[in-house]
Amino acid sequence: QVQLQESGPGLVKPSETLSLTCAVSDYSISSGFYWGWIRQPPGKGLEWIGTIYHSGNTFYNPSLKSRVTISVDTSKNHFSLKLSSVTAADTAVYYCARVPGNRYFDYWGQGTLVTVSS
Amino acid sequence: QSALTQPASVSGSPGQSITISCTGTSSDVGGYYYVSWYQQHPGKAPKLMIYDVTNRPSGVSNRFSGSKSGNTASLTISGLQAEDEADYYCYSYTSSSTLVFGGGTKLTVL
Repeated sequence: QVQLQESGPGLVKPSETLSLTCAVSDYSISSGFYWGWIRQPPGKGLEWIGTIYHSGNTFYNPSLKSRVTISVDTSKNHFSLKLSSVTAADTAVYYCARVPGNRYFDYWGQGTLVTVSS
Repeated sequence: QSALTQPASVSGSPGQSITISCTGTSSDVGGYYYVSWYQQHPGKAPKLMIYDVTNRPSGVSNRFSGSKSGNTASLTISGLQAEDEADYYCYSYTSSSTLVFGGGTKLTVL
């Protein structure tokens, strides 16, 4: 059973960079699959942020592309999200997930709330 | 990219069947058999219920089924149970190699 766990600061100041890491257990990222980030503002729906292949190829939501960087570290078996120039609109629960064939999300982390506030 | 269109809410009584629609375009739902559905209970992570339009992951009840016609995909839940009350989201691959979610549907079991 693949397990994913998000980690990172729960509070980020406006204009700064949000940084999160997703640790993967019981599966080696280098073995394959795409890996992705999704977020959900309080009381709102889900938004796909981006996806990365184990080799490093990335796909980003066009509306966030200019501010997002997703990277993978196979030696640590984790992948990461950086979102720059954050505003209050970036306050959300951030989820990481496995993305077979870049088509659907089968395993999810529990999610981590990130609040943007001074 | 625009979100896929779902009804804001649907409701049904225990034992009944309900269907949630998910409308996109020929560049997403209509162009690929890569539609998936997720169930989300309050405070919990989403759970995959259907993938590739009609496939159920291991462990998901066969009361859940998916279909697609043209640019509209559908999730049907038969034999409605109280535990099915949740938010449901559809999701599709797009021609830009990106991914797009529906706005979500709140299912109420009366």
